[in-house]
Amino acid sequence: AQKITQTQPGMFVQEKEAVTLDCTYDTSDPSYGLFWYKQPSSGEMIFLIYQGSYDQQNATEGRYSLNFQKARKSANLVISASQLGDSAMYFCAMRELRDDKIIFGKGTRLHILP
Amino acid sequence: EAQVTQNPRYLITVTGKKLTVTCSQNMNHEYMSWYRQDPGLGLRQIYYSMNVEVTDKGDVPEGYKVSRKEKRNFPLILESPSPNQTSLYFCASSYLNAGELFFGEGSRLTVL
Repeated sequence: AQKITQTQPGMFVQEKEAVTLDCTYDTSDPSYGLFWYKQPSSGEMIFLIYQGSYDQQNATEGRYSLNFQKARKSANLVISASQLGDSAMYFCAMRELRDDKIIFGKGTRLHILP
Repeated sequence: EAQVTQNPRYLITVTGKKLTVTCSQNMNHEYMSWYRQDPGLGLRQIYYSMNVEVTDKGDVPEGYKVSRKEKRNFPLILESPSPNQTSLYFCASSYLNAGELFFGEGSRLTVL
């Protein structure tokens, strides 16, 4: 069954440190995509990064990278050199291409400390 | 500007009073979806649609209806709202089998 697990409900990290947010998934579909979204306190959903299941290289977007380990079914988000503005809720999501169903994890609330 | 527009953004209503939350996108996306967000539960999919006149249940469809008569619009209908439908609702759209899902700004609904 399709499933996304984010095991860290909350994290506190010192400013300028790197952060890794964990995400594991389960699917029987060989074709899928993995996303990360950021939700600041203002509530909007901001797209960060996308990784396709057949992509050979890990996706990167500026300070964000997705550490994709297909055999372990993990898709961790790495934020380099964290900033105060990175404080937000982060959601991992998966899209199965077979039926185009998209599910989200429960989220990780990240707090960046000055 | 490419966007997904939801209305209303905020609504307080009473149990049993039918309401509709509208969603419109201007990107010619085939795929549209509704989610509800509740503390500790993340985003849960209510319904989704892969094209006009094609809709499918998500994980929490009970108490909701949708329709997709036009490609750009995907309204969410609560026929008889109950307090357990108090939530933050998001509409989203994308191309089929594609990457990024574009979200609306959210609609905060309170049912008394």
